Amino acid sequence: QKEVEQNSGPLSVPEGAIASLNCTYSDRGSQSFFWYRQYSGKSPELIMSIYSNGDKEDGRFTAQLNKASQYVSLLIRDSQPSDSATYLCAVNTGNTGKLIFGQGTTLQVKP
Amino acid sequence: DVKVTQSSRYLVKRTGEKVFLECVQDMDHENMFWYRQDPGLGLRLIYFSYDVKMKEKGDIPEGYSVSREKKERFSLILESASTNQTSMYLCASSLHRGPGDTQYFGPGTRLTVL
Repeated sequence: QKEVEQNSGPLSVPEGAIASLNCTYSDRGSQSFFWYRQYSGKSPELIMSIYSNGDKEDGRFTAQLNKASQYVSLLIRDSQPSDSATYLCAVNTGNTGKLIFGQGTTLQVKP
Repeated sequence: DVKVTQSSRYLVKRTGEKVFLECVQDMDHENMFWYRQDPGLGLRLIYFSYDVKMKEKGDIPEGYSVSREKKERFSLILESASTNQTSMYLCASSLHRGPGDTQYFGPGTRLTVL
């Protein structure tokens, strides 16, 4: 059973701090990794995707991938109250187009 | 921008009714997916489709069927709704089957079965 694990949280950080969200996956053959943000009552929206080891930056967001250790993380710099949401990690393990989702980490950014 | 729409945001049905959930995407995507999302259980894949008239079972297909008669439209059917099918239903689409292809989600349908 291929799995994607996330700490459900809530992760609470003060406004302006760095929020660090982590995700581990079980299938070493996993090829692509996605972070989605989901506000309460809304559908998931893509924040970032990453395919190669290392860091990928987009504005205040940085995705980090370490395939040897089978983890992927999302850093949010200068966290804002509007970043308060559930963050879903998703992994694509082959040429099926299917994603395996973690259960999500709830982030709370306190003013 | 990719746009995925779902026929209803909220739906209330009675036990035993036949329920149709419709999903339409406007970006000529090949792949379409139906998920349900429940607290503590995360997103679970019900069915997906790679092409017109093609369908594949996901992780939890029992009690559901699907139809894809046109490329842009993917329907989820609850043949006889039950209370344990009360959930948020999310449709998604992606361009191809490749590992890098992103799934884009519709707004979701919150279904309540009484």
